Amino acid sequence: QVQLVESGGGVVQPGRSLRLSCAASGFTFSDYTIHWVRQAPGKGLEWVAVISYDGSNKYYADSVKGRFIISRDNSKNTLYLQMNSLRAEDTAVYYCATGYNYGYERWGQGSLVTVSS
Amino acid sequence: QTVVTQEPSFSVSPGGTVTLTCGLSSGSVSTSYYPSWYQQTPGQAPRTLIYSTNTRSSGVPDRFSGSILGNKAALTITGAQADDESDYYCVLYMGSGIYVFGTGTKVTVL
Repeated sequence: QVQLVESGGGVVQPGRSLRLSCAASGFTFSDYTIHWVRQAPGKGLEWVAVISYDGSNKYYADSVKGRFIISRDNSKNTLYLQMNSLRAEDTAVYYCATGYNYGYERWGQGSLVTVSS
Repeated sequence: QTVVTQEPSFSVSPGGTVTLTCGLSSGSVSTSYYPSWYQQTPGQAPRTLIYSTNTRSSGVPDRFSGSILGNKAALTITGAQADDESDYYCVLYMGSGIYVFGTGTKVTVL
């Protein structure tokens, strides 16, 4: 069945880096735009970044531009989010989601990132 | 900076109807923003309800419907059920690859 599984979350100190992964299965990964969306504890959802089906186009929220890098490996059916210069305000559950008609279709279960000294 | 506004909370009786809205801090929402809607219960991933203004996602019951009402996008729940008690978020596509989530609405069914 269709599945998106995030991994790589954990506790990291401010200023350090972390890479999240999102492994896809059950559908043709290379046909889809994929997004990262996050949710800080007790807060609403925030769009983070999107990458086109072939990786040629990438867009970021202002809050992460210049610090986060979205990428994908279609041969491995995997999406990545390289997070650099992490801040306390980046603490959140990070979800990957497939794009569809300028919205989202399938969602992973999320990976918690905690930025704390 | 663009802010997408939603009502903080709504209460609806079982079997009743509630309409949630999604607006812009400046300007009007139209179909060109491709408004979409998501339901989320605590501790769970979001669930897609509506995309492109009014198209229901697969498996979503027809008591959920999307539309444009005046200058806002709207999500209407008709015949509310207990398990509709959730947080609801809209998303607008702002163009140039940028998306913005609304502030979210907490719906209580009682």
